[in-house]
Amino acid sequence: KAGVTQTPRYLIKTRGQQVTLSCSPISGHRSVSWYQQTPGQGLQFLFEYFSETQRNKGNFPGRFSGRQFSNSRSEMNVSTLELGDSALYLCASSSGQLTSGVYEQYFGPGTRLTVT
Amino acid sequence: GNSVTQMEGPVTLSEEAFLTINCTYTATGYPSLFWYVQYPGEGLQLLLKATKADDKGSNKGFEATYRKETTSFHLEKGSVQVSDSAVYFCALSDLSGGSNYKLTFGKGTLLTVNP
Repeated sequence: KAGVTQTPRYLIKTRGQQVTLSCSPISGHRSVSWYQQTPGQGLQFLFEYFSETQRNKGNFPGRFSGRQFSNSRSEMNVSTLELGDSALYLCASSSGQLTSGVYEQYFGPGTRLTVT
Repeated sequence: GNSVTQMEGPVTLSEEAFLTINCTYTATGYPSLFWYVQYPGEGLQLLLKATKADDKGSNKGFEATYRKETTSFHLEKGSVQVSDSAVYFCALSDLSGGSNYKLTFGKGTLLTVNP
């Protein structure tokens, strides 16, 4: 099976712009989660989608939004970019079903966003 | 809320040395515990997991035991290799907290193994 793919891998944007990142989950997986990774804050949960519905959301401002399509692919959007949004954005894919008591999540390689 | 605290790095070891990376957690419910590894330029890979007290997760020579009494999940390996150089993250998910899809991570520990 192909793994989780994220596009683009690298992105440079200017303050005030908006950006859209894409994530394609493992075939058959219906859950996609997004995380932000920064040196200062570490890994922080953004949101999770299952069958096109947002099930859970982290503590991020409304500038961060996402959606999921019927083929389970997901996009996240950040509007009015700030310097502090520079980070590695990781997408994780899950079947959405418990496996041995846990929701196993498989991570993509991430999109490195630099805001100048 | 839930939180994970792991030892600050960086940790530098010689090849074949013994590794311990400490991890403790706070959770409102009964969490599942994980160790993830991140190699340079890559995403996170699940290294091992444990879902209940006294469970031992193991993979690639790494082990960690779920200790409910001390709320800990320390990562150990008896003999590290240069290829183990990476950042290690301890994480939990809490099925009872209504946010069971969410992983809460520690800050990460950078391990460097020298030949």
